[in-house]
Order: sequence, then C-alpha cells, then structure tokens
Amino acid sequence: GEDVEQSLFLSVREGDSSVINCTYTDSSSTYLYWYKQEPGAGLQLLTYIFSNMDMKQDQRLTVLLNKKDKHLSLRIADTQTGDSAIYFCAESIVGSQGNLIFGKGTKLSVKP
Amino acid sequence: GAGVSQSPSNKVTEKGKDVELRCDPISGHTALYWYRQSLGQGLEFLIYFQGNSAPDKSGLPSDRFSAERTGGSVSTLTIQRTQQEDSAVYLCASSSGPYNEQFFGPGTRLTVL
Repeated sequence: GEDVEQSLFLSVREGDSSVINCTYTDSSSTYLYWYKQEPGAGLQLLTYIFSNMDMKQDQRLTVLLNKKDKHLSLRIADTQTGDSAIYFCAESIVGSQGNLIFGKGTKLSVKP
Repeated sequence: GAGVSQSPSNKVTEKGKDVELRCDPISGHTALYWYRQSLGQGLEFLIYFQGNSAPDKSGLPSDRFSAERTGGSVSTLTIQRTQQEDSAVYLCASSSGPYNEQFFGPGTRLTVL
C-alpha cells in the first residue's frame, strides 16, 4: 500500500541548514510535494518535484529526490526562527484520482 | 486573489448533533478536496470533486459523512450524529494546475464534546 514516512522532530540552530527527510513506498509517484504548516494555520505549498527529476532549487530551498531509494529530502539553507513549523511530505500517485498521500509531518524547531 | 476560505474556523458541538463545514475554493479551480487532520497525525483524504464528474468518496470513514459541491464551486461537508472521534481539523484544498498543486484553506477545528 501507499505509505509516506518522516521523522517527527528536528531541531537546529538559527543560521544552520536544516534537512528534513521523507521516504515513500509507491514507485508510481508522479509528483512529490513539501508543505509547511504554522501553528493554527492551513498548509502552505512550498515546492514540488516531478518524479523524473533528481533536484530542484528555489531560493533557500533545495529538494533532492532519489527515486531508486524512494527518498525525498528538503534542505533549508540559513534556517531562521520563522521557519519553525511542521513540514509535510506528500506524494501524488498515478491513478489515485489526485488526492495526495501525506506523511505525519516533521516538526522543525529553530533555536536562536 | 483570494485563497481557499473555510467556515467556521472553530466549531464546538455536542455528541449526536449534525454539523456542516463550508469551503470556498479559489475561483476557477476545478478540483476540490477534503482532508481530516487528527492531533499528531498527517492528513487523511476524505473526498474529491473534479468538475462535473461523480465525486471520489473512497476516503469517507463512515456513512455519517457526506459532501456536496454546488455549481462546481462551494462545497459543504456534513457530519451527522457526530462522535467524539470526529474531533479534528477539517481541511479543504483546491487545485487546477497540471502538477496537482493543492492550495489549502485554514481549516475548521471541530470539537465534539
């Protein structure tokens, strides 16, 4: 079945890089996404990557995809306190009608 | 332009009562999704509408849950005879792009006493 796994917590110091990891089981993923959720808010789409790509960079964000290992990561450069939030990895699967399969989220804490 | 809006933002109800949650998608978005987020959990897919096609109800947890989408725009999720385990944040998303980027509303926090 479909499953998306993430570690639950990550703590970094302000100015360091953060790397949030995600693994998925379904090899028919078409797109993979990273969402950010701040307390009391909905999910904000950060970035996405097509499954035939291995890297995508967008300002401070770098997404790496290892399709062989079914591993996705999100690197945030120069992490700021405003980056503290829960980060969700999600996949869209061929034939799934378009609903996304989400991980449980990684809570990123940024210490000054 | 306005994003996805949901109302109410918070709803407290007594066990056994019916509730209606509303979602206004981004104008022009043809796809609309409802998800449920329970404490400490990821998002659980509930139902999906695409244009005028029959909705995909495969994620609805029981027949107490139903949803409709009128005129291809606003959607209402109805939970009948609410139970305490229905307490969660209910999130709505809409999409229209080829990459299925889904844009989420702020959610409705439902508490069943």
